[in-house]
Amino acid sequence: GAGVSQSPRYKVAKRGQDVALRCDPISGHVSLFWYQQALGQGPEFLTYFQNEAQLDKSGLPSDRFFAERPEGSVSTLKIQRTQQEDSAVYLCASSPPQGAFGGYTFGSGTRLTVV
Amino acid sequence: AQSVTQLDSQVPVFEEAPVELRCNYSSSVSVYLFWYVQYPNQGLQLLLKYLSGSTLVKGINGFEAEFNKSQTSFHLRKPSVHISDTAEYFCAVSEGNTDKLIFGTGTRLQVFP
Repeated sequence: GAGVSQSPRYKVAKRGQDVALRCDPISGHVSLFWYQQALGQGPEFLTYFQNEAQLDKSGLPSDRFFAERPEGSVSTLKIQRTQQEDSAVYLCASSPPQGAFGGYTFGSGTRLTVV
Repeated sequence: AQSVTQLDSQVPVFEEAPVELRCNYSSSVSVYLFWYVQYPNQGLQLLLKYLSGSTLVKGINGFEAEFNKSQTSFHLRKPSVHISDTAEYFCAVSEGNTDKLIFGTGTRLQVFP
């Protein structure tokens, strides 16, 4: 597609519920990133894929967070047993094979609200 | 560990006035520096980036930034702002050959008519 697509745009979850957030990167983009942006804060790195390989997951806040990209294109960020502190906008970004030196393309994000 | 400090959380300015948004970083190695803009309910859009070479970097929408290694700063400037520049601006840094970005907390630019 023309840009990075994320779905759903908004998600309300009851505390304890599992959620799955989807990211469709730009076609042909090898690298894919997930960031978490809390209200009034800058985005914080969660995890990074190169094709289907998860090369860095150092930013995942707990073992309730899990990300996958099984075929090297679409990625899913899963949060189990959601808690109120998980409320945030989750941003996905992708970059082409030659690397973007940080200048990658972001999606519009999924706003997760845990009630 | 590297970090980014954006000294101003909000910057109010009148239309057609100049503006400077400040950014300082800390890192022990060479860095790449970026400015992103975020309009309401949208993702981040790259304004400009410094990788190497000339310390004055020009970006989209008339913005520019200057890399100052001795002061570890990368301030964003625009000589004349428009109402449409109202948005949140984020400074970010990545180290060496990693593509992972560390963001500042953002500066809200509010342009008044």
